[in-house]
Amino acid sequence: QVQLHQWGAGLLKPSETLSLTCAVSGDSLSGYYWNWIRQSPGKGLEWIGEITLRGSTNYNPSLRSRVTISVDTTYNQFSLKLSSVTAADTAVYYCARVDIPSFDFWGQGSRVTVSS
Amino acid sequence: EIVLTQSPGTLSLSPGEGATLSCRTSQSISSSYLAWYQQKPGQAPRLLISGASIRAAGIPDRFSASGYGTDFTLTISRLEPEDFAVYYCQQYGNSPRYSFGQGTKLEI
Repeated sequence: QVQLHQWGAGLLKPSETLSLTCAVSGDSLSGYYWNWIRQSPGKGLEWIGEITLRGSTNYNPSLRSRVTISVDTTYNQFSLKLSSVTAADTAVYYCARVDIPSFDFWGQGSRVTVSS
Repeated sequence: EIVLTQSPGTLSLSPGEGATLSCRTSQSISSSYLAWYQQKPGQAPRLLISGASIRAAGIPDRFSASGYGTDFTLTISRLEPEDFAVYYCQQYGNSPRYSFGQGTKLEI
């Protein structure tokens, strides 16, 4: 059974960089896209971006200028960095696997709050 | 940018009844690229149906989906107490690569 476990800082100040990591167990990273999605009361579920084992990425155009997703094959994990955060980036962030066209396995979620 | 609009926003029903949830897309999409999720408070969304009609592993057959073009439907027959949750539709393929509807809350 595939499991995704995520972690990272939960409280940030405006202009800081959000950093989250998602470790995958029960499967290798090969053959799938690995994604970040966020959920906030104001914007609902919003896709952030994805990466493959080889490092090929796709990003949501609305966030592309601030997002970097990377992969670490040694530890079977992938990471999200979102720069210059504001209060609008306050959300629960999820990592998830895509078996096109849908997200079949999800992490437990990480609540991130941006506040001065 | 493709927009997914779900209706109704809230649906009030009782256990044993049937539910019909709608998802309308602003552009025509292949039914193969439409999925449905269930989310309960404090939990991540759970995949119910992918490719418009294929149930995910462990999903009971009281959940079914249909549709094509811009109009898609999730049907839940004989509601169980554990079915009361928020339901989302999701599309793949159009910019952005993935997007979600705003959700339908199914309440008792």
